[in-house]
Amino acid sequence: DAKTTQPNSMESNEEEPVHLPCNHSTISGTDYIHWYRQLPSQGPEYVIHGLTSNVNNRMASLAIAEDRKSSTLILHRATLRDAAVYYCILRPSYNTDKLIFGTGTRLQVFP
Amino acid sequence: EPEVTQTPSHQVTQMGQEVILRCVPISNHLYFYWYRQILGQKVEFLVSFYNNEISEKSEIFDDQFSVERPDGSNFTLKIRSTKLEDSAMYFCASSPGPLGYGYTFGSGTRLTVV
Repeated sequence: DAKTTQPNSMESNEEEPVHLPCNHSTISGTDYIHWYRQLPSQGPEYVIHGLTSNVNNRMASLAIAEDRKSSTLILHRATLRDAAVYYCILRPSYNTDKLIFGTGTRLQVFP
Repeated sequence: EPEVTQTPSHQVTQMGQEVILRCVPISNHLYFYWYRQILGQKVEFLVSFYNNEISEKSEIFDDQFSVERPDGSNFTLKIRSTKLEDSAMYFCASSPGPLGYGYTFGSGTRLTVV
């Protein structure tokens, strides 16, 4: 299973942008890059996913490096509600449908 | 926004008893999953289910576990004879399609085996 590497924790102030990095140097050409987050005492929540191009949605943006060996989840203006554990997950496009969660990045947001 | 609903939110059971955890996936989703998270540990895949059969399962999902979609709306996880180490949060998830789609997870059932 393809592996990802994320910092254990990051901090931000409210209303500032947050850039959450993820390294995935062993990514294969057909792996999708997914991001989920888990707020305290809740189930994981889908944030965004992409394959090669940068992606935007109402929650966040995903910037994917040209060689696809790394990606960055961008929260444009952090709120207190964004405090969560953020997981970067590689999801193969063939033969398996499971998500393999790592330990993620715990994001703290300060008022 | 559509939700995945799980019941009960908390279940306490005695070791050796059978438990059934229930989930109502999003109505037009076709792929269903169970994951679990032992307190303080990672979220772990248990099983995926499509077209009324298991499509993939993990090593955790042994003969003590089973899943069922008894009608058009519910998706259940049964643990036949619970052990202390089955204590965890169990999350149900659903997806409209495989692979390129995101999952929607429920809020979970906290199972405590005593």
